[in-house]
Amino acid sequence: AQKVTQAQTEISVVEKEDVTLDCVYETRDTTYYLFWYKQPPSGELVFLIRRNSFDEQNEISGRYSWNFQKSTSSFNFTITASQVVDSAVYFCALSEALNYGGSQGNLIFGKGTKLSVKP
Amino acid sequence: DGGITQSPKYLFRKEGQNVTLSCEQNLNHDAMYWYRQDPGQGLRLIYYSQIVNDFQKGDIAEGYSVSREKKESFPLTVTSAQKNPTAFYLCATRYGGGPPGELFFGEGSRLTVL
Repeated sequence: AQKVTQAQTEISVVEKEDVTLDCVYETRDTTYYLFWYKQPPSGELVFLIRRNSFDEQNEISGRYSWNFQKSTSSFNFTITASQVVDSAVYFCALSEALNYGGSQGNLIFGKGTKLSVKP
Repeated sequence: DGGITQSPKYLFRKEGQNVTLSCEQNLNHDAMYWYRQDPGQGLRLIYYSQIVNDFQKGDIAEGYSVSREKKESFPLTVTSAQKNPTAFYLCATRYGGGPPGELFFGEGSRLTVL
């Protein structure tokens, strides 16, 4: 069965600190997709990144970077030099590629990590 | 503007009443989803629809109903059978073709049962 675990419920850092949000997943599929979303206080989830299971290259986008390791089933997210605007709830999600009973493309979300960045 | 519109943003309901949450999109996406979010619980899938006039139950469909008569619209009714309806409800869409793409979310509707 698919499962996404975000063990860190809440993290608090001071501005300019680096912070890593952990994500561990479980899936029976060999082809799957991993996502990170940001939910600011306004409530709307914002897409950050999608990674497929065949691409283990790390990715960097500005202050954001992602580390995908299939050997440990992890897809961790690091924010470098955090800012107050990074305060939000961050969700990791998993989607299998194959069509199981019509559920193709459905995302399974972790419970989220609430990040507070203090000035 | 292109996007997803959920209404109302805030809704109060008395116990025993049905309430319908609206979700409209002009992204021309095929798939639409309803998620429920509770504090510390992440997002749980209620219903989803891949095409017009077809929809499937998600993980927590009991006490909810939906319809998909138009591509643009996917309303969710929270019925009196839903035992704990107070929650934040999020509608999302996804382009139907190709590998699983990202979901696009509305701003949510917060339902409080008094």
